[in-house]
Amino acid sequence: GAGVSQSPSNKVTEKGKDVELRCDPISGHTALYWYRQSLGQGLEFLIYFQGNSAPDKSGLPSDRFSAERTGGSVSTLTIQRTQQEDSAVYLCASSLGGFTGELFFGEGSRLTVL
Amino acid sequence: EDQVTQSPEALRLQEGESSSLNCSYTVSGLRGLFWYRQDPGKGPEFLFTLYSAGEEKEKERLKATLTKKESFLHITAPKPEDSATYLCAVQAAGGTSYGKLTFGQGTILTVHP
Repeated sequence: GAGVSQSPSNKVTEKGKDVELRCDPISGHTALYWYRQSLGQGLEFLIYFQGNSAPDKSGLPSDRFSAERTGGSVSTLTIQRTQQEDSAVYLCASSLGGFTGELFFGEGSRLTVL
Repeated sequence: EDQVTQSPEALRLQEGESSSLNCSYTVSGLRGLFWYRQDPGKGPEFLFTLYSAGEEKEKERLKATLTKKESFLHITAPKPEDSATYLCAVQAAGGTSYGKLTFGQGTILTVHP
């Protein structure tokens, strides 16, 4: 497809379980970003990849959150021992090399922790 | 800490009734200010980038302007299809914040026919 693809689109899990969220960026985009959007919080930056390295992971809220990117393409965001406050829409975006601010977002993965 | 405040939180307009959305920001040094549009259940869609005070960008019925403290998104003769949440974001200059945008809470715009 031509756009950023995220899976799953919806995930319901129990407190304490681990979850993995996947992002497939636009082909040729070297930069990849994860953001989180919750009610009343707006969009919150989590992590930025340039290629396979993450020069800015300052937004990860705790050590339960981790992300990796392989082959300069697909990225996985992993949340361990999920908590109810992790419930949110997790948005992935990609952009051409460097940083233009013109991010192309996927439709997000909605995570609900019961 | 970088901050972005958008007002109003919600705006209801009649079709054809022009108005403006406000984005006030505090940032240590501005690399860029960005406007996005978000439809329900979708990811944000890029609209504009502004880099320096006095700069203006236009696209169809939308015009974005920038001062040293705030940005405005002017909507001229809106149509119902302009209904969406409009998000403002800033990127700070320097450091390792190349990938980080700080977003405001958004303005929910509803345009009635």
